[in-house]
Amino acid sequence: QVQLVESGGGVVQPGRSLRLSCAASGFTFSTYLMHWVRQAPGKGLEWVAVISSDGSNSYYADSVRGRFTVSRDNSKNTVYLQMNSLTSEDTAVYHCARQEADYWGQGTLVTVSS
Amino acid sequence: QSALTQPASVSGSPGQSITISCTGTSSDVGGYKYVSWLQQHPGKVPKLMIYEVSNRPSGVSNRFSGSKSGNTASLTISGLQAEDEADYYCISYTSSGTRVFGGGTKVTVL
Repeated sequence: QVQLVESGGGVVQPGRSLRLSCAASGFTFSTYLMHWVRQAPGKGLEWVAVISSDGSNSYYADSVRGRFTVSRDNSKNTVYLQMNSLTSEDTAVYHCARQEADYWGQGTLVTVSS
Repeated sequence: QSALTQPASVSGSPGQSITISCTGTSSDVGGYKYVSWLQQHPGKVPKLMIYEVSNRPSGVSNRFSGSKSGNTASLTISGLQAEDEADYYCISYTSSGTRVFGGGTKVTVL
């Protein structure tokens, strides 16, 4: 069955970097675009970024453009989110989701705090 | 890239029908068929209920239906049940290739 498993979250100081990973299984990963979505504690869903199936195109929310980079390795069935210059506003659970948002990972918590 | 507009809360009695609106612009909701609806119970991962405006994924109850008119998409839940109490979010493709969520609607079953 389809599985998405995020990892890489944790506590990080403001201004530092973190890289999240999302390992996919149970479907032909290389044929689907993938999203990153985050949810701050007690808040709504916020779309973060999307990457095309072959990795050639990516798009970002205004709030993260220039600081976050999404990439993928289709040989490893994994999508990544490199997050730089983190601020407290980036504190959230980060989920990866498949193309139509039909499958989601459980999420990984990123806490930006000094 | 402003969030789509949803009512903060909607309520109804068991068996009733309710409709949640999701208002955007011609650059997102109004311009494309790519509007989806997600259900999220507290502490749970979101679940896709409707995609491409009005399509239901396999396994989703036919009590859930979607539609769109102009820049506003709508999710209707008919025959409201206690298990439908949750937060609901719309999400749309945009003309810049990004996606945008609505602020979310809390559905309460009275």
